[in-house]
Amino acid sequence: EPEVTQTPSHQVTQMGQEVILRCVPISNHLYFYWYRQILGQKVEFLVSFYNNEISEKSEIFDDQFSVERPDGSNFTLKIRSTKLEDSAMYFCASKVQTGADTQYFGPGTRLTVL
Amino acid sequence: AQSVTQLGSHVSVSEGALVLLRCNYSSSVPPYLFWYVQYPNQGLQLLLKYTSAATLVKGINGFEAEFKKSETSFHLTKPSAHMSDAAEYFCAVSRMDSSYKLIFGSGTRLLVRP
Repeated sequence: EPEVTQTPSHQVTQMGQEVILRCVPISNHLYFYWYRQILGQKVEFLVSFYNNEISEKSEIFDDQFSVERPDGSNFTLKIRSTKLEDSAMYFCASKVQTGADTQYFGPGTRLTVL
Repeated sequence: AQSVTQLGSHVSVSEGALVLLRCNYSSSVPPYLFWYVQYPNQGLQLLLKYTSAATLVKGINGFEAEFKKSETSFHLTKPSAHMSDAAEYFCAVSRMDSSYKLIFGSGTRLLVRP
């Protein structure tokens, strides 16, 4: 069964460094999302992406964040200058079509900022 | 604004007992409602969803949920708990006027006692 994959599973970085989290959505999916979950807190929406542009972003998704679909298969989340409070589990999700279609989640990348 | 409230961060049941996980939502427009399950070190997996068809929704692994508009609730139930049901369960809401992003509750950890 097709699945969303994410790499790396765990990333440790120093405060102020740039990180790129990678996701490979399911191949025929058209809508892409990033969510994050700070330890002990709820899963929060970051950004949605369709047709090579951002559809919606949350207040968390400030100028330090960017997303890209560079090659038609990968979907990346870049954090330009990481802060301690960026430490979280980051989930990528994708779905085939608009509406209440099921979002399929990847296993997540645990980002630790020291 | 949309929000989801899950009553009880932890629920403990005996194997074979009824499982009831509570979810209440607020939404100014008809919502789509979802239950996701997260097993340790894994991503979120869809259990079931309500998309304005039948109010009683059946999902995987014997779970079901009933949409009650008058109570703004979407509680998850399973008649007989199994040890393998131990996991974290998230209720989520989405709307057509917000890129169908998922707004999650804070989650309920289900513990199943032998």
